[in-house]
Amino acid sequence: AQSVTQLGSHVSVSEGALVLLRCNYSSSVPPYLFWYVQYPNQGLQLLLKYTSAATLVKGINGFEAEFKKSETSFHLTKPSAHMSDAAEYFCAVSSYNTDKLIFGTGTRLQVFP
Amino acid sequence: EAQVTQNPRYLITVTGKKLTVTCSQNMNHEYMSWYRQDPGLGLRQIYYSMNVEVTDKGDVPEGYKVSRKEKRNFPLILESPSPNQTSLYFCASSSKGNQPQHFGDGTRLSIL
Repeated sequence: AQSVTQLGSHVSVSEGALVLLRCNYSSSVPPYLFWYVQYPNQGLQLLLKYTSAATLVKGINGFEAEFKKSETSFHLTKPSAHMSDAAEYFCAVSSYNTDKLIFGTGTRLQVFP
Repeated sequence: EAQVTQNPRYLITVTGKKLTVTCSQNMNHEYMSWYRQDPGLGLRQIYYSMNVEVTDKGDVPEGYKVSRKEKRNFPLILESPSPNQTSLYFCASSSKGNQPQHFGDGTRLSIL
């Protein structure tokens, strides 16, 4: 069975600071990994995805994530936070032999001026 | 524009009064899914459909029904809603279940 754990339900950073949102996964087969962002009163939008190509994945809005098999992690980073990054972020896992995405419980990012 | 459309966006109703939340996608996707989002629990899958007339239970199917008579539509039916079904609901679609999913804007249901 697959699972994903997001450490920290809330993360607060100052504008211009590094953003680091943590995601660890469990999968018995090579995983597909995704990060989604949810802005208030909206659905989820895909930020980036990993499907066994390059381990460093670049997404929209300056975000990137690195797949580390040895650590079973897929942390999301952005060098410099912007006020508009305030949202909830979800990590999700699937694989070639499954027909569903498994979502983490989400991390709410607050950005202070 | 590629989109998943849910209606209504907001609904307040009473226990036991049947309701349907509609979902439509214009991307010719085979896979569609319903999720509910609750604080601290993330997104949990209710039902999904691999194609027309093919549906299956997700992780929390109790109290819900779905149908997939056409490729583009995947309505969620609450035959006898109860207060524990008060939640934010999302419909999503994709080419396959393990691929990135396109989400609707959500339906906030309050069951009194």
